[in-house]
Amino acid sequence: GAVVSQHPSRVICKSGTSVKIECRSLDFQATTMFWYRQFPKQSLMLMATSNEGSKATYEQGVEKDKFLINHASLTLSTLTVTSAHPEDSSFYICSAYDRGQDGYTFGSGTRLTVV
Amino acid sequence: SQQGEEDPQALSIQEGENATMNCSYKTSINNLQWYRQNSGRGLVHLILIRSNEREKHSGRLRVTLDTSKKSSSLLITASRAADTASYFCATDEGTYKYIFGTGTRLKVLA
Repeated sequence: GAVVSQHPSRVICKSGTSVKIECRSLDFQATTMFWYRQFPKQSLMLMATSNEGSKATYEQGVEKDKFLINHASLTLSTLTVTSAHPEDSSFYICSAYDRGQDGYTFGSGTRLTVV
Repeated sequence: SQQGEEDPQALSIQEGENATMNCSYKTSINNLQWYRQNSGRGLVHLILIRSNEREKHSGRLRVTLDTSKKSSSLLITASRAADTASYFCATDEGTYKYIFGTGTRLKVLA
């Protein structure tokens, strides 16, 4: 089946630095990918929709300048958390839509800890 | 985005018992999916049910969908300790993005 690879799985960074998270569709092309954030013991909240070749669409309340999304190819979307602060510590998960299977596949997630 | 509601928020049962989780949503949907998430891990897709379907089975899982009530239920029969996880429903609003429910934390006691 469709596979989405997310990297890194865990990252610890210092406050004020930036962190890039990659989401790759391994065996299919994904014109649309989605980024979610999950706080401990809470549900997944959609942050933004990443569209290949165009600007991402952000959900209300999500700072686009803080969470930079780039979807430069049909198999790769990146989320960069800029000037990270401890409150950005969270679990970030991407998903991609596979038109061939008419279904969604999720990455394994990235646990970000900002110290 | 409007998040779906799930109940119960937490459920603790004995191994061998059945577990039922409910999900309610607010808008019309194309389909609804159920996912499992072990603590601190990614999501595992369990089952997808389309808006024109009422019931679907997969192994020990049974999912129902009532579009008139905007609700779905997930039944896990003969539960096992390995079923301990959080379970989320997610609805497709027709825009290719999924809205997740609040989740049910299931604990199966051996």
